[in-house]
Amino acid sequence: GEDVEQSLFLSVREGDSSVINCTYTDSSSTYLYWYKQEPGAGLQLLTYIFSNMDMKQDQRLTVLLNKKDKHLSLRIADTQTGDSAIYFCAESTMFSGGYNKLIFGAGTRLAVHP
Amino acid sequence: DSGVTQTPKHLITATGQRVTLRCSPRSGDLSVYWYQQSLDQGLQFLIQYYNGEERAKGNILERFSAQQFPDLHSELNLSSLELGDSALYFCASSAPRVSGANVLTFGAGSRLTVL
Repeated sequence: GEDVEQSLFLSVREGDSSVINCTYTDSSSTYLYWYKQEPGAGLQLLTYIFSNMDMKQDQRLTVLLNKKDKHLSLRIADTQTGDSAIYFCAESTMFSGGYNKLIFGAGTRLAVHP
Repeated sequence: DSGVTQTPKHLITATGQRVTLRCSPRSGDLSVYWYQQSLDQGLQFLIQYYNGEERAKGNILERFSAQQFPDLHSELNLSSLELGDSALYFCASSAPRVSGANVLTFGAGSRLTVL
């Protein structure tokens, strides 16, 4: 089956690192994604990682993938108040014919406090 | 502006009514997706279209239907509305990438309130 799970809430101090975790069930997932949703807005892609990679770094963002455990994490270095948002993990699953769909987790609400 | 346009932004209606939500995908994107976001259910995949044809179906109720038109805009029709249908409805579009990644671009959403 397809299921993506995330913790619902994370609170960090400004300047600290944030680590948001996600587990997924579909071992055939080809790509895994992190999206960010700010208040009153739609989801915005932050980054994605191919399933044969272990790590991807993009400025303050580091994505770690443990395919054996089906565990994905997003680390935000030097977290700022502007990083306060809901972060969604998503997995890409394939249908026959090459079409795929994204299954999203429930989202982790990150609160950054001074 | 993501390039995906959704109308209306807000909609308030009564139980039993029918509404239509509209989505214009980003220029050049052939795929359109509909998602429902509610407080207790998170982000639920409803349905996907590619170039006018239905490609994948998720947790879409029989009271709901959608279509994608030749100009690639899409409409989501919600009928016999219930209180529990109150949610944010997102449209997203995508285009195939050389890498194979399926990157969705989301609209700002249509907030439906059923009273």
